Amino acid sequence: AQSVAQPEDQVNVAEGNPLTVKCTYSVSGNPYLFWYVQYPNRGLQFLLKYITGDNLVKGSYGFEAEFNKSQTSFHLKKPSALVSDSALYFCAVRDVWASKIIFGSGTRLSIRP
Amino acid sequence: DSGVTQTPKHLITATGQRVTLRCSPRSGDLSVYWYQQSLDQGLQFLIQYYNGEERAKGNILERFSAQQFPDLHSELNLSSLELGDSALYFCASSATRGQQETQYFGPGTRLLVL
Repeated sequence: AQSVAQPEDQVNVAEGNPLTVKCTYSVSGNPYLFWYVQYPNRGLQFLLKYITGDNLVKGSYGFEAEFNKSQTSFHLKKPSALVSDSALYFCAVRDVWASKIIFGSGTRLSIRP
Repeated sequence: DSGVTQTPKHLITATGQRVTLRCSPRSGDLSVYWYQQSLDQGLQFLIQYYNGEERAKGNILERFSAQQFPDLHSELNLSSLELGDSALYFCASSATRGQQETQYFGPGTRLLVL
């Protein structure tokens, strides 16, 4: 069965510092991995995805994520955090054989000025 | 703006009632997905339709049903409502039914059952 875990409910970072939001997954086949962001009172917005190819995926708003097959991880990163990055971040996984996407529990990112 | 629209934005109703949530996908998208987001359950996949046919089912209760119409808009029907059904309901769409497709989410319908 496929699953995805976001081990941190909340991540706090100072503006200008690098940030990492962690995600690990479990699938039976090759994974398709996604990151979405949810701002207050808004729907989810797509940030980036890994399907195949380069392990480092670049996405919207300066975010990137690194696919690590041996560690079954897909951590979201940004070199320099902005206050406007404060939001709820969801990792999601789908495998080749799955008919549905599974979302993690979400990580609340808080960037302090 | 994702291009996915949902109506109504807010809905307040009583236990035992029935409501219908509506979703219009992005222009050209054939797949529609429904999700429920609540504080205790997180974001749960309910059901997917592709070009009018049910494609995948998730944690959807028997009291809930959905359909996708020929013009590709979709409706989620919630009946015999309970307090625990209070949540944010999202619709998302994607171009095809492919596993690698990006889903684009609507702004959601906030349902409050009193």
